[in-house]
Amino acid sequence: NAGVTQTPKFRVLKTGQSMTLLCAQDMNHEYMYWYRQDPGMGLRLIHYSVGEGTTAKGEVPDGYNVSRLKKQNFLLGLESAAPSQTSVYFCASSYKVAGGSYEQYFGPGTRLTVT
Amino acid sequence: DAKTTQPTSMDCAEGRAANLPCNHSTISGNEYVYWYRQIHSQGPQYIIHGLKNNETNEMASLIITEDRKSSTLILPHATLRDTAVYYCIVRVAPITTSGTYKYIFGTGTRLKVLA
Repeated sequence: NAGVTQTPKFRVLKTGQSMTLLCAQDMNHEYMYWYRQDPGMGLRLIHYSVGEGTTAKGEVPDGYNVSRLKKQNFLLGLESAAPSQTSVYFCASSYKVAGGSYEQYFGPGTRLTVT
Repeated sequence: DAKTTQPTSMDCAEGRAANLPCNHSTISGNEYVYWYRQIHSQGPQYIIHGLKNNETNEMASLIITEDRKSSTLILPHATLRDTAVYYCIVRVAPITTSGTYKYIFGTGTRLKVLA
């Protein structure tokens, strides 16, 4: 199993450009998440999805959009990039367990710089 | 806002036990404590979790105080490969039935294992 993979690994954008980050998981997980991590900080949740075709906002959703057209993929879009979106982006996925506990599996991250 | 407080950094001698404390004084009765670690800038890696009982797995032990206001992660025999940032996280229950559990990350403890 590849686990959680992210594409691309690195990207440099100019202010105002758009791009899409792709997250893929091969563990048949129901839930998927997008986080951002700024220098010296913990991760903050951007958007998440509890199943194919559904998405919801996390802590810091402004400036981002997401889509979950297939269960195994979760896309994060930046329509008009800003320097404040310079960060490392992590995708994660997890099982759905009714009323229980489960861990999230994280991808290797995408390092994005907006100039 | 993070629901956990951790020391910024700690050192530990190789082969000795590493004890990483965490305060979570505002934790609610149904909120779990999770521990993850992040090596260099890789994606966080799950270590262990617990609700109110002490837990042990092949990686670590988790000791939770009776009042659940604090916990300690114990790496019994630290190695150089355990050098990482360790995050103590409170998992918050969903607000609605269609939501998901969310991790609230703090800034973590940077553990350095010394040869």
